[in-house]
Amino acid sequence: QKEVEQNSGPLSVPEGAIASLNCTYSDRGSQSFFWYRQYSGKSPELIMFIYSNGDKEDGRFTAQLNKASQYVSLLIRDSQPSDSATYLCAVNLGYSSASKIIFGSGTRLSIRP
Amino acid sequence: KAGVTQTPRYLIKTRGQQVTLSCSPISGHRSVSWYQQTPGQGLQFLFEYFSETQRNKGNFPGRFSGRQFSNSRSEMNVSTLELGDSALYLCASSLTSGATTYEQYFGPGTRLTVT
Repeated sequence: QKEVEQNSGPLSVPEGAIASLNCTYSDRGSQSFFWYRQYSGKSPELIMFIYSNGDKEDGRFTAQLNKASQYVSLLIRDSQPSDSATYLCAVNLGYSSASKIIFGSGTRLSIRP
Repeated sequence: KAGVTQTPRYLIKTRGQQVTLSCSPISGHRSVSWYQQTPGQGLQFLFEYFSETQRNKGNFPGRFSGRQFSNSRSEMNVSTLELGDSALYLCASSLTSGATTYEQYFGPGTRLTVT
């Protein structure tokens, strides 16, 4: 079982709709979770991070974390063509004084006009 | 604040050679992590340095090594290059290290091609 799993997509969503991206992780001890957006040919850009169970909202983005189910998701409201990118889920599998960030393989999101 | 910078941006080497890549973190950030990104394997963790000490490492052979200087700048070295080392090498910096809060910011990467 991979440590961090994502559906590779592509996920096609009409402009203005809600895009829902999902990620599961294997280590119950994981404490911090991140979503990165990566445009083709560019480096990953941090868009959301979440450390506690529940929802965290930032503009059009909402991250949801359920540690009991080992599940983290990203919702993008009012999707725009500029949201078309690969979204990487990352989980910190490190221990107290060190970090070890493991990335999922990414979900390609395509917003169709 | 200036972002993470990496040099060089592009590099072409031949098999058997060695290469050194450089990363300057965001000012004030003390943690630097290195990643390899390939189409087949995705983004894979190489190692993390914090206050000049390697804190954690991924599953890469000993040909991959790194170090961090007192000003937090970091270098990564790959010796005896193989064709499979062709990849985008990304550096990411963070204010701190640890299991709980660790927001990383990536540099633009170094595209290494091994022929």
